[in-house]
Formats: sequence, structure tokens, C-alpha cells
Amino acid sequence: GAGVSQSPSNKVTEKGKDVELRCDPISGHTALYWYRQSLGQGLEFLIYFQGNSAPDKSGLPSDRFSAERTGGSVSTLTIQRTQQEDSAVYLCASSLYQLSYEQYFGPGTRLTVT
Amino acid sequence: EDKVVQSPLSLVVHEGDTVTLNCSYEVTNFRSLLWYKQEKKAPTFLFMLTSSGIEKKSGRLSSILDKKELFSILNITATQTGDSAIYLCAVEPNTGNQFYFGTGTSLTVIP
Repeated sequence: GAGVSQSPSNKVTEKGKDVELRCDPISGHTALYWYRQSLGQGLEFLIYFQGNSAPDKSGLPSDRFSAERTGGSVSTLTIQRTQQEDSAVYLCASSLYQLSYEQYFGPGTRLTVT
Repeated sequence: EDKVVQSPLSLVVHEGDTVTLNCSYEVTNFRSLLWYKQEKKAPTFLFMLTSSGIEKKSGRLSSILDKKELFSILNITATQTGDSAIYLCAVEPNTGNQFYFGTGTSLTVIP
């Protein structure tokens, strides 16, 4: 069956530009999570959605980061005015229920800000 | 401050060896501890532990939690080259919706 998909797989952008990352969760999964993994660091939780709402946005590193989810399905993570420290792999995961331990991860988007 | 620390940071072993990976944590209101295997970019779930002293086992992999001493170990017996990966430990508190991840242990199994 189809797993979590993310696009693009790789994105190179110039400092100061905006980027949009997309996540398609597994059909029927109500919870969706965004993580970031920077070189040499562990996974960093960014935000999670239950349905279309995001009860906890405290992991977003700055106000340049925003995310939305529509129709309880696709989610987009937007980074405005990108900085070099935004370079990382952005991972999306979904789970059937909120706080379910069985999170299914997508392949990630590697973002490089030059 | 909540944190998760994994050790060693990296490990190189020969096929057939047994390895033990460590994860210690300081988390307020602990709910569960999770182990993931990360190859390339996306981690895959291995185990979730909530109770002390109960070993979870899957093939050559096993894990156990000590809630008194605040740590968990992941054992891999008879290692194979396919076990080469980063092994991530994460702790979930029972407040909020965050997971605290360690930086992982990079395991390399050489033939």
C-alpha cells in the first residue's frame, strides 16, 4: 500500500527565498507530524496536526516557519526568507491516532540553502 | 530541561558480533520510550517501551527499559551488514505532543 510521500525529495534554494514542502500522509491517518534533522543532530520535532488543526506549534524554530493541513490529508510546511541554518532534512510522519507510537515516516525532503 | 542521550555515538563491529546501544533520559512525566532504525533518511519504528523490566524482542533485536535508572538498551545479536544504520531513541512525555530524540548511535557492521 502507499506510504507517506513527500515532495520534493531535494530542494536547493537561495538564501532569502521562500520554500514550500509537501507531505501526503497515509490515507485515513488523522495525525501528521513534521520533524527536522540537521547534520549531526537528532530529530527535532516541529509541529503536529490532529485533523486540520495544530494544537502544538511550539516546536517551530521561528516565525518564518508555518504549516497547514487541508482536508485532513495533505500538509505543507512553508519556510519564508530561508536562512542557511534552515538546511536540513525535513521529515513528515503520520499515524492513525494522535500520540500513536506507530508513526510512519516519509522519505524526507533535503533542503539546502545556499 | 528534558533530554535524551545516546551512547556510544558510533560503533564499528564485525558481522556476528553482539552490540548494546544505550539511551538515557531525563524527561518530566515519562510516557514511553521508542527505538527507531534510520537508514538513509526516514526512521523506521522498532520498539516502544513503557514498563520497566519487560523485554521486547523482534528477531535478533531486543530492548528493555529501566524506569528507575532512566535508561534503555537495545541489543542486536549476530549482527549483519544490513544492521548498519543510525539507531535513534526517543522519549514521549505524557504532556504535550512532543517526542525528545537523542542524536542516535551510528552502527557500522563490516563483513
